[in-house]
Amino acid sequence: EIFLTQSPATLSVSPGERVTLSCRASQYVASAYFAWYQQKPGQAPRLLIYGASARASGVPDRFSGSGSETDFTLTISSLEPEDFAVYSCQQHESAPFTFGQGTKLEI
Amino acid sequence: QAQVVQSGAEVKKPGASLKLSCNVSGETFSDAYTHWVRQAPGQRLEWMGLINGGGDAPNYAPKFRGRVTMTTDSSTTTVYLDLSSLRSEDTAVYYCVKTRNYYDSFAMWGQGTVVTVSS
Repeated sequence: EIFLTQSPATLSVSPGERVTLSCRASQYVASAYFAWYQQKPGQAPRLLIYGASARASGVPDRFSGSGSETDFTLTISSLEPEDFAVYSCQQHESAPFTFGQGTKLEI
Repeated sequence: QAQVVQSGAEVKKPGASLKLSCNVSGETFSDAYTHWVRQAPGQRLEWMGLINGGGDAPNYAPKFRGRVTMTTDSSTTTVYLDLSSLRSEDTAVYYCVKTRNYYDSFAMWGQGTVVTVSS
């Protein structure tokens, strides 16, 4: 099973700031099978990034993903108020598909 | 427009069984896959397994094998999750997720079903 570790667990930030979230895999993950999700309280997760770097439909271009092999990054170039949420990474290459523990962005 | 709609909240006692449903509409049911993912309070998302629309060869996460069964009803385009021998640790929000292919990312989520296991 591939274990995903995200850092930091919580990040206190302000609107307008640039943030970088990290996700490290316990073993190699092909970029095509790596995704990032945003989740707000009481809502289902929303796909943000697939294939490590491609934005899902309707996702603003302030969100970008990068990385390969075992180290992946989600960057938000300039935080908007609606971006305060929990962000989770996922590998869907090797079953059981696994998620990171999430990074919470808070004001 | 494709849609994923889940059944309502459940309260169960320890040792009981659970059956959740997930109606998948808008795309060819037999060619799609449905995953089940759960999230316990304060915990990470946890993938439970997947099944295709034809109900063939479900793949369950090792943690749940022996307790979980996923089935489909193509006449109603509904996918079911059965989980037996419930314990308090099964208290969670359960999501179904539709994908077009086995290894796709998870773009289409149901609204979630809150399950509470308590004596």
